[in-house]
Amino acid sequence: DAGVTQSPTHLIKTRGQQVTLRCSPKSGHDTVSWYQQALGQGPQFIFQYYEEEERQRGNFPDRFSGHQFPNYSSELNVNALLLGDSALYLCASSLEPFGTAYEQYFGPGTRLTVT
Amino acid sequence: EDQVTQSPEALRLQEGESSSLNCSYTVSGLRGLFWYRQDPGKGPEFLFTLYSAGEEKEKERLKATLTKKESFLHITAPKPEDSATYLCAVQARNTPLVFGKGTRLSVIA
Repeated sequence: DAGVTQSPTHLIKTRGQQVTLRCSPKSGHDTVSWYQQALGQGPQFIFQYYEEEERQRGNFPDRFSGHQFPNYSSELNVNALLLGDSALYLCASSLEPFGTAYEQYFGPGTRLTVT
Repeated sequence: EDQVTQSPEALRLQEGESSSLNCSYTVSGLRGLFWYRQDPGKGPEFLFTLYSAGEEKEKERLKATLTKKESFLHITAPKPEDSATYLCAVQARNTPLVFGKGTRLSVIA
């Protein structure tokens, strides 16, 4: 049973550039959430996708956008990169969006470095 | 605003020395409290979900408990392979997970 996969593993970008990160959910899951984890901090919620729509969004600027495809995979796009965007970006999948408590399963993350 | 505070920030144990990690939370209408383990540079690995005060769950050397204000992760006779950061997260109704900063556990042989 394939777990959550993310690509690429590592990425180095320059300030002002744009980046796209990709995520495939765990088999059987239809909901994808994205998190940003700075060094020494817990993950912070960016947004969640279900049925190809953004269902909830955390406190992140519009430079952060996403998409979900019919096969439930998802992309996270960040425009006009800032040095402060350097972090580990985590994708988590689950059976359904926030409603009752349920487990989210995380991928290995994409380490983004902005220089 | 939902908040999660984990203590201590870091913990160093000798192999076999049992201890507990604390997760204090304030949330309006708790639906679930989650514990995750995270190895350096990797994604969090799900350990437990606790739904109501008084609930306990166990997995190998780990035992998680829940009260109305906090959760404990008890580690019995830890081994070096238990070294990791342990994250606690809470979820209220129709809201995303809110994580604490984690406790970095080091178990020395």
